[in-house]
Amino acid sequence: GAVVSQHPSRVICKSGTSVKIECRSLDFQATTMFWYRQFPKQSLMLMATSNEGSKATYEQGVEKDKFLINHASLTLSTLTVTSAHPEDSSFYICSASGGKGHEQFFGPGTRLTVL
Amino acid sequence: DAKTTQPPSMDCAEGRAANLPCNHSTISGNEYVYWYRQIHSQGPQYIIHGLKNNETNEMASLIITEDRKSSTLILPHATLRDTAVYYCIVRVLNTGNQFYFGTGTSLTVIP
Repeated sequence: GAVVSQHPSRVICKSGTSVKIECRSLDFQATTMFWYRQFPKQSLMLMATSNEGSKATYEQGVEKDKFLINHASLTLSTLTVTSAHPEDSSFYICSASGGKGHEQFFGPGTRLTVL
Repeated sequence: DAKTTQPPSMDCAEGRAANLPCNHSTISGNEYVYWYRQIHSQGPQYIIHGLKNNETNEMASLIITEDRKSSTLILPHATLRDTAVYYCIVRVLNTGNQFYFGTGTSLTVIP
């Protein structure tokens, strides 16, 4: 199946700093990428949908100025958590679609810990 | 919002078939049923999807009732590596359409 990577896999940062997470589709062109957040023992929560070359669409309750999403190419989307706080600590997962059919292919996730 | 209902947890003996149910009573005619699973601290993995016919692949079988209001994912011979949270999702077939995850079923395969 199609491969989606994320970098970094784990990051620890101080409160108030910004963190960038990359999501790459390695063997297909992803016209659409999605970002999810998952807190411990909870399900995945969709944060935003991004289409290549256009602004992301955010889900209700997700602050677009805090979670900056860029989808500049068909293989790369980035999520920047600005001015991170401890409550932003979570598992962030991206997915991509547009290659082989209509499934979404998920990345391995990024564990963010804000001290 | 998630449009599916699944039992929160299930156990299955290793080597036996695991049957995971999902209710989607409000499914629309153009919505597919997808199954994904998530092993602890990893990204979800695609398993199978279907519209109205039963489907089978190398991982699992999907049985959809005739009225499409429920479905069952069958893992024919469960192994310890099948221990995971299984998510049933309904979605219109389109690359740009979002997946909304419900709470899923935590399957534990017991030796």
